[in-house]
Amino acid sequence: DSGVTQTPKHLITATGQRVTLRCSPRSGDLSVYWYQQSLDQGLQFLIQYYNGEERAKGNILERFSAQQFPDLHSELNLSSLELGDSALYFCASSGIIAGNTDTQYFGPGTRLTVL
Amino acid sequence: DQQVKQNSPSLSVQEGRISILNCDYTNSMFDYFLWYKKYPAEGPTFLISISSIKDKNEDGRFTVFLNKSAKHLSLHIVPSQPGDSAVYFCAATPSGSARQLTFGSGTQLTVLP
Repeated sequence: DSGVTQTPKHLITATGQRVTLRCSPRSGDLSVYWYQQSLDQGLQFLIQYYNGEERAKGNILERFSAQQFPDLHSELNLSSLELGDSALYFCASSGIIAGNTDTQYFGPGTRLTVL
Repeated sequence: DQQVKQNSPSLSVQEGRISILNCDYTNSMFDYFLWYKKYPAEGPTFLISISSIKDKNEDGRFTVFLNKSAKHLSLHIVPSQPGDSAVYFCAATPSGSARQLTFGSGTQLTVLP
């Protein structure tokens, strides 16, 4: 158990809909990262937040947005969903626990299926 | 443009022998490298990491070697066990305050009993 939690575990929705994925980082971790794993693209970085502020953006579509709240949990919002958005979405966190700021610990993921 | 490459999609090894998984990178800005193990429908599990200031890091049965001049790293598992069977991902992160990981495509390791 990495200490990172994600809800829901599975999500099935229709094209055009909007969903919210939730992530709680390990206790004390300030950085949260979102990754997408689709069949043909592997694990791709989407966005990073650090202590509530956006720190880096990767290949994140404009239809997607994220935020990190004062209690450090994060939400990834996906809107106007398309079939191609079906994927596993992982959250990871990193921080200063055990003196290591760079190692990212991953949650179990949310499997999104768009029908 | 794949900045992190794992050229072997699969590897089979006999139990008790050494498993060697390889990874190449192209971005000179990468300064921290990690290996993750992943089972289907689960999140990647951190195994071992290495900073660019080192050329070797060891943790139990796992050793990671870094050759900066060749932009190559490898993960050695000795001895290999059937429970090690999984997909192994190499990942790298650049220097600076944004520490996003760039992943390789993964290598499926099968350890045969």
